[in-house]
Amino acid sequence: GAVVSQHPSWVICKSGTSVKIECRSLDFQATTMFWYRQFPKQSLMLMATSNEGSKATYEQGVEKDKFLINHASLTLSTLTVTSAHPEDSSFYICSAVQGGNQPQHFGDGTRLSIL
Amino acid sequence: GEDVEQSLFLSVREGDSSVINCTYTDSSSTYLYWYKQEPGAGLQLLTYIFSNMDMKQDQRLTVLLNKKDKHLSLRIADTQTGDSAIYFCAESRGYSSASKIIFGSGTRLSIRP
Repeated sequence: GAVVSQHPSWVICKSGTSVKIECRSLDFQATTMFWYRQFPKQSLMLMATSNEGSKATYEQGVEKDKFLINHASLTLSTLTVTSAHPEDSSFYICSAVQGGNQPQHFGDGTRLSIL
Repeated sequence: GEDVEQSLFLSVREGDSSVINCTYTDSSSTYLYWYKQEPGAGLQLLTYIFSNMDMKQDQRLTVLLNKKDKHLSLRIADTQTGDSAIYFCAESRGYSSASKIIFGSGTRLSIRP
């Protein structure tokens, strides 16, 4: 149980393109989803916390207009990197929580490469 | 501060026990986690412990928590080549699912034949 699916797993696109990443909880309803960014050989950096039906809470230093988060249902959250540039290249990982005192379960990540 | 610290590397011989250590600074931590990340993959939850517990064992994994010293360890018995990965220690400070997690830098475990 507690499977989180992330799509796509790898995307390469040109500078200026907007890229959407999906995070789905497959066998549970996620009250909260989190989006992280991970640079090579580094730890995870929390970007934002997303609750279904409400606006995401962004961490300090994360541009909300650059990284658009939509949490339209209890099983789907999306992260859109708008007008992506090479410095946005990174590994993006989402996690989802069922509720109560349950731990976060992570997707397999999306490797974004901007040329 | 929000520091969770781990050593960066650990090398052990196949069949030996691996012990990965972690220290944290916030005494209000509620849950402490160990996640495993294989190359190019997301994070896999290995185990977690509530802050009022001292120890938790799950098959080859043993977690020890010293709350006084703010020290957490993960012991992997009979380490196998498939255990090669990065292991992240993490803590949360709330009781709800919306509580954010603070991650350590990760310990890269390599296995020698």
